[in-house]
Amino acid sequence: SFELTQPPSLSVSPGQTASITCSADSLGDKYASWYQQRPGQSPVLVIHQDTKRPSGIPERFSGSKSGNTATLTISGTQAVDEADYYCQAWDSGTAGFGGGTKLTVL
Amino acid sequence: QVQLQESGPGLVQPSQTLSLTCSVSGGSITSGSYYWTWIRQPAGKGLEWIGRVYTSGSTHYNPSLKSRVTVLADTSKNQFSLRLTSVTAADTAVYYCARAASWSGYFVFDYWGQGTLVTVSS
Repeated sequence: SFELTQPPSLSVSPGQTASITCSADSLGDKYASWYQQRPGQSPVLVIHQDTKRPSGIPERFSGSKSGNTATLTISGTQAVDEADYYCQAWDSGTAGFGGGTKLTVL
Repeated sequence: QVQLQESGPGLVQPSQTLSLTCSVSGGSITSGSYYWTWIRQPAGKGLEWIGRVYTSGSTHYNPSLKSRVTVLADTSKNQFSLRLTSVTAADTAVYYCARAASWSGYFVFDYWGQGTLVTVSS
């Protein structure tokens, strides 16, 4: 299946900006989505189609893409944002997920 | 509000078949344009897409699991199911059912079940 690469972990201080990258061959030709998964919970969509934020998702979450790398940015990171984040894209009808990035807010 | 709920055995013996059902409430699995999907997550690891059944009944599977996976829809019960044959310890995971909906022509996973842990062990 389609393979996407993310850094395994990232630490930021409260109030700082967290940027999580996701890269894959030909990701530039596809849309990326991002999911947040808090411990013990099911994933929640936070960004879709590279840059769009679903209703109910705080404005501090934003997405961008340059070439084959998509980026999830959390501005003014809060303790409640501590979670695992997964990028996802479709390739030939198959969904691929990145390995996940554990965001620690300390 | 759409809700999905997984059900099935929490323990499966090696070489046997894993069978799970996802019950959908708050909407019909035959209406709209949706992929009814199974995704799994081994403990401490990432998400793996297993496969899906489309509203029309067509299916699509992860190539790495294709030979062992079947996803079917039961429209009379508003459920869809997962069968995974010849399981090994590597199939131990939390299994999620989810709905992928078309948002502006692009599918996103907008509703998820709570997940169910399946352990493969004798």
